[in-house]
Amino acid sequence: DAKTTQPPSMDCAEGRAANLPCNHSTISGNEYVYWYRQIHSQGPQYIIHGLKNNETNEMASLIITEDRKSSTLILPHATLRDTAVYYCIVPPQAGTALIFGKGTTLSVSS
Amino acid sequence: GAGVSQSPRYKVAKRGQDVALRCDPISGHVSLFWYQQALGQGPEFLTYFQNEAQLDKSGLPSDRFFAERPEGSVSTLKIQRTQQEDSAVYLCASSLSGQKHNYGYTFGSGTRLTVV
Repeated sequence: DAKTTQPPSMDCAEGRAANLPCNHSTISGNEYVYWYRQIHSQGPQYIIHGLKNNETNEMASLIITEDRKSSTLILPHATLRDTAVYYCIVPPQAGTALIFGKGTTLSVSS
Repeated sequence: GAGVSQSPRYKVAKRGQDVALRCDPISGHVSLFWYQQALGQGPEFLTYFQNEAQLDKSGLPSDRFFAERPEGSVSTLKIQRTQQEDSAVYLCASSLSGQKHNYGYTFGSGTRLTVV
């Protein structure tokens, strides 16, 4: 299984870009990178996923390095509502379900 | 419905009591998952259904835990003879696709179980 490594916590000022890193050095060629977040007292929320190309949606952008060993989730203009735990997950090809790690706690302050 | 609905939102059980937690997935969603989340930890996988078939129950921590989805829609997670270590938030998720490698899930808000 491709395991991921994320910093335990990060801070960001409101209105600034939040760049959340993730290392997945053992990722294999067909494995995707998924990002979820979990706001306090809620269930996890899907954000974005990608294989090798950069991806963007209404919530965030995902930048994957050319060697695919790391990625960065970018929230372009963080708000207080973006304070949450962010999970970077590489689901195993032979697996059944998402396996969550400890994630990064992002604190956005005014 | 518009989202995944779980009930009750909170449950307090006395040690040794049986509990049943309900999950209403998004209508038409094929896949359904149960997770357990202890305080300060990430969600841990319990079990997976594709329609009414329980295809993976490898995460269930003991034989006191039982899940079912008899008609391929609503699911119930039952815990018999609850113990204090069962105290956690129980999360349900569903996804439209029954195919593997589709990991875009919709989660409910969970049921917080406290065993006293």
